[in-house]
Amino acid sequence: EVQLLESGGGLVQIGGSLRLSCAASGFTFTSFAMSWVRQAPGKGLEWVSTTGGSTYYADSVKGRFTISRDNSKSTLYLQMNSLRAEDTAVYYCAKTMNFDSWGQGTLVTVSS
Amino acid sequence: DVVMTQSPLSLPVTLGQPASISCRSSQSLIYSDGNTYLNWFQQRPGQSPRRLIYEVSNRDSGVPDRFSGSGSGTDFTLKISRVEAEDVGVYYCMQGTHWPRTFGQGTKVEIK
Repeated sequence: EVQLLESGGGLVQIGGSLRLSCAASGFTFTSFAMSWVRQAPGKGLEWVSTTGGSTYYADSVKGRFTISRDNSKSTLYLQMNSLRAEDTAVYYCAKTMNFDSWGQGTLVTVSS
Repeated sequence: DVVMTQSPLSLPVTLGQPASISCRSSQSLIYSDGNTYLNWFQQRPGQSPRRLIYEVSNRDSGVPDRFSGSGSGTDFTLKISRVEAEDVGVYYCMQGTHWPRTFGQGTKVEIK
């Protein structure tokens, strides 16, 4: 069974940094692209970033967020710098470029 | 960016009755490999999203057969043949053909 467990969320000040982690299990991590998707409170879903053979970012986070993975630990990361209030959201880790499995999410709150 | 437009945005349905959600894309979703990467997701209240349908019409494992997807090119539909209480939630279409990945606004399904 695929399991994705996000961690690292919390309250951070505007302009601050945070690193999210997603521990994966139940599948061969190295064989699949991985993604981050976020959802602002009461809003819809927004794709953030994907890493596979190539790396992709939404324009809204390009230059501020960095996606990476440690295949030896089956873990996906999202380094978030220069955080803005509009980055406040639940951040989900998702398997593949078409999000076939999702984690439970971790809440990031950016406030002054 | 490819704009995904869903309708309706709110869908009150009677238990046991059918329901249908439309999703239109601003560009063709046919990829160079000949596949069409149109996905449907369900998000029940308080839960993470779950993929129901991939590549227009393929149900993910464990998805009841009352859910079906159809369409081609830029025009797609999710149908629920007989709505059950557990189907309440928000449904999103998402295109996986172009970067950036984009979602529809979401359709809220509720019981009348």
